[in-house]
Amino acid sequence: GEEVAQTPKHLVRGEGQKAKLYCAPIKGHSYVFWYQQVLKNEFKFLISFQNENVFDETGMPKERFSAKCLPNSPCSLEIQATKLEDSAVYFCASSQALRSAEGYGYTFGSGTRLTVV
Amino acid sequence: KNQVEQSPQSLIILEGKNCTLQCNYTVSPFSNLRWYKQDTGRGPVSLTIMTFSENTKSNGRYTATLDADTKQSSLHITASQLSDSASYICVVSRWAGGSYIPTFGRGTSLIVHP
Repeated sequence: GEEVAQTPKHLVRGEGQKAKLYCAPIKGHSYVFWYQQVLKNEFKFLISFQNENVFDETGMPKERFSAKCLPNSPCSLEIQATKLEDSAVYFCASSQALRSAEGYGYTFGSGTRLTVV
Repeated sequence: KNQVEQSPQSLIILEGKNCTLQCNYTVSPFSNLRWYKQDTGRGPVSLTIMTFSENTKSNGRYTATLDADTKQSSLHITASQLSDSASYICVVSRWAGGSYIPTFGRGTSLIVHP
């Protein structure tokens, strides 16, 4: 499809529970990115993939966060043992190529709002 | 340090009026600058992208300018509409280590009143 599809739109978890978010990139886009938006408009980079391979994971909290992009499946971002500070909107974006004529062309999904209570 | 600063933090204007949003950056080496519009509850949508050699880029009622010497950009909205109410985010990318690395500004929240 021509949009980045993120599910679910909203997710509520008790502190310590697991949360799993999904992202289906635009067909033909090789790069997938995950961002965390904790405060309004403050985007924090988490991880990027080139197809199913991790491209850049410098933003990932290593202890509880993990992510995968497997062939023929939506990409996923999983948080083990959620904490209150994990409450945020998690955005996925995809890009056709890392270095296109236009540069870094992201298309963002609508996000998943995670609330940890 | 690579940073993107936006001003004002929030802005309220009347429908039909013009407004200008500012973006100053220290990102280096500069690759491109994008302005995004983020409606409430939605992901950001790209409005314009500018590279080093471009001074002005328009997209309908949105006009972005770039001064690469002073490292400043502006987004001018003409004849504002209620649907322009949104957050506007400036993102400046640099090319480093074989990949683009974007730095996000904190955005300007624009409210257009009838």
